[in-house]
Amino acid sequence: DSGVTQTPKHLITATGQRVTLRCSPRSGDLSVYWYQQSLDQGLQFLIQYYNGEERAKGNILERFSAQQFPDLHSELNLSSLELGDSALYFCASSAQGGEAFFGQGTRLTVV
Amino acid sequence: AQTVTQSQPEMSVQEAETVTLSCTYDTSESDYYLFWYKQPPSRQMILVIRQEAYKQQNATENRFSVNFQKAAKSFSLKISDSQLGDAAMYFCAYRSGGSQGNLIFGKGTKLSVKP
Repeated sequence: DSGVTQTPKHLITATGQRVTLRCSPRSGDLSVYWYQQSLDQGLQFLIQYYNGEERAKGNILERFSAQQFPDLHSELNLSSLELGDSALYFCASSAQGGEAFFGQGTRLTVV
Repeated sequence: AQTVTQSQPEMSVQEAETVTLSCTYDTSESDYYLFWYKQPPSRQMILVIRQEAYKQQNATENRFSVNFQKAAKSFSLKISDSQLGDAAMYFCAYRSGGSQGNLIFGKGTKLSVKP
């Protein structure tokens, strides 16, 4: 158990809908990262938060947004979903100078 | 911007043999960390090994070791006595030092282990 919790584990939704993925980092970790991984692909960096503030942004679509709350949990919002958004979405957290620990991922299927 | 390159999309090794996965990176920073992550078919991301840039000694974790060549910006992973359970995708990753460092991944190397 990495200590990073992602919910839900699986999500099936229709095109055009909006979903929210939730991530609870390890206790004390201030950095949260979101990644998208399509089938047989690498990890596409979406966005990073540090202590509530956006720290870095990758190739995140305008239909996607995220935030980190005062209790350090983070949410990734995906709207106007398309079939191509079907993927495994990972959240990871890290402390200063440390490696990132990954959650189990949320498997999103858009039908 | 930092980049991480894994030039071997796929590798294969015989059980009990040794295999080396390559990784190069590009950075102008002096303070950073390097990692190898393993992703088995379950798709869980598992940390295999880490290396601090300021340490000259190569990191070792049981059958896994790295060859860290800082000047060449190379960070290869050696797996000794390969086991069937080592079959997975392996990702090399770079993280800037400090508390806010981003984590950048290579595209991965798919390792197959033949019995």
